[in-house]
Amino acid sequence: GENVEQHPSTLSVQEGDSAVIKCTYSDSASNYFPWYKQELGKRPQLIIDIRSNVGEKKDQRIAVTLNKTAKHFSLHITETQPEDSAVYFCAASNRNTGNQFYFGTGTSLTVIP
Amino acid sequence: GAVVSQHPSRVICKSGTSVKIECRSLDFQATTMFWYRQFPKKSLMLMATSNEGSKATYEQGVEKDKFLINHASLTLSTLTVTSAHPEDSSFYICSARPGFAYEQYFGPGTRLTVT
Repeated sequence: GENVEQHPSTLSVQEGDSAVIKCTYSDSASNYFPWYKQELGKRPQLIIDIRSNVGEKKDQRIAVTLNKTAKHFSLHITETQPEDSAVYFCAASNRNTGNQFYFGTGTSLTVIP
Repeated sequence: GAVVSQHPSRVICKSGTSVKIECRSLDFQATTMFWYRQFPKKSLMLMATSNEGSKATYEQGVEKDKFLINHASLTLSTLTVTSAHPEDSSFYICSARPGFAYEQYFGPGTRLTVT
């Protein structure tokens, strides 16, 4: 099955700086890679996603890059704000075989004002 | 759009009893629903995939007789934790997939505490 690794597990940045979170996956057939933000006790919220036919996607301060050859993808948050503080999870799935999401271990991001 | 609800949000039960958790897609039809378990400060672990009208597919290591899943309609899936024990205490989250979309939309979760 799919195995997703995520680094770092914790990340502290000064407000206004950038944050980068990296994930690797094992199944080359995975074709969809979403990123979720989860606040304590709340549901995961989709913040950005990328499909395997695209190398990069950007939405305002958030961007995701995908390297299919190396099987890794990264989340980039620029101009961080205190409200960006949360736990971020990456996931990998194969839409063609059931779309099960396999999540990374999570990154706890703290943005220091 | 794409709202998923879960009920109850919190439940406390005694050891040995069974608990049912409902997951509903409120404004779309979900051909597939998924059940996850999340321990404190840990990741979401996929437990099973639920397809409407068919048996659920369980991930390796998840006891199907312990965690009964029913997907009776395109908007409702239920998870029943049978003969619950304290080690079953956890945060259970469902998600729903509209049609054959890439995305999944998550419910708010159910905090189960077994005493």
